[in-house]
Amino acid sequence: GAVVSQHPSWVICKSGTSVKIECRSLDFQATTMFWYRQFPKQSLMLMATSNEGSKATYEQGVEKDKFLINHASLTLSTLTVTSAHPEDSSFYICSALGTGGGYTFGSGTRLTVV
Amino acid sequence: AQSVAQPEDQVNVAEGNPLTVKCTYSVSGNPYLFWYVQYPNRGLQFLLKYITGDNLVKGSYGFEAEFNKSQTSFHLKKPSALVSDSALYFCAVRALYSSASKIIFGSGTRLSIRP
Repeated sequence: GAVVSQHPSWVICKSGTSVKIECRSLDFQATTMFWYRQFPKQSLMLMATSNEGSKATYEQGVEKDKFLINHASLTLSTLTVTSAHPEDSSFYICSALGTGGGYTFGSGTRLTVV
Repeated sequence: AQSVAQPEDQVNVAEGNPLTVKCTYSVSGNPYLFWYVQYPNRGLQFLLKYITGDNLVKGSYGFEAEFNKSQTSFHLKKPSALVSDSALYFCAVRALYSSASKIIFGSGTRLSIRP
């Protein structure tokens, strides 16, 4: 079945540094990928939708300069949290939309900013 | 605009009993509905989806869901609960023929199965 690999699974960084999270579709091409943020015991909040080769579409209230998304190929999208602060600490999950219409999720990245 | 409501934060069921996790939705046009399960510190695992066809959809791990258009509901069910079913369950929706492919999640329901 379709597999999405998300790395790293957890990361701890110092305040003010940047962190990059990768999302790869391993056995299918994903023209569209999504990035979600999940706070403890809460639902997934869509941050942005990225299409291969074009700029990401951000949801209202999400800072595009803070959360940089790159979708350079049909199998890779990256989320970079720039100048991270403790309030950016969260669980980030990517999802890839395959040509068959199925949504496959990565295993998530736990970001802790200290 | 599309939205999903999961009215129960938590559902508690004894092992072996049937379980139901409720979901109602709002979407323009025909809905594309999903159920996902999440275990602690993990991503989401797909359980089942409804696009068209039979209103009763069967999915992974013995789960099924019934699409009810008149009640705009898509409740998740299982005839006999297992302790291992304890997890966080999310209902999600998108408009089937919308150019926007994003799916919107409900707030989640924590299912707790007691031995």
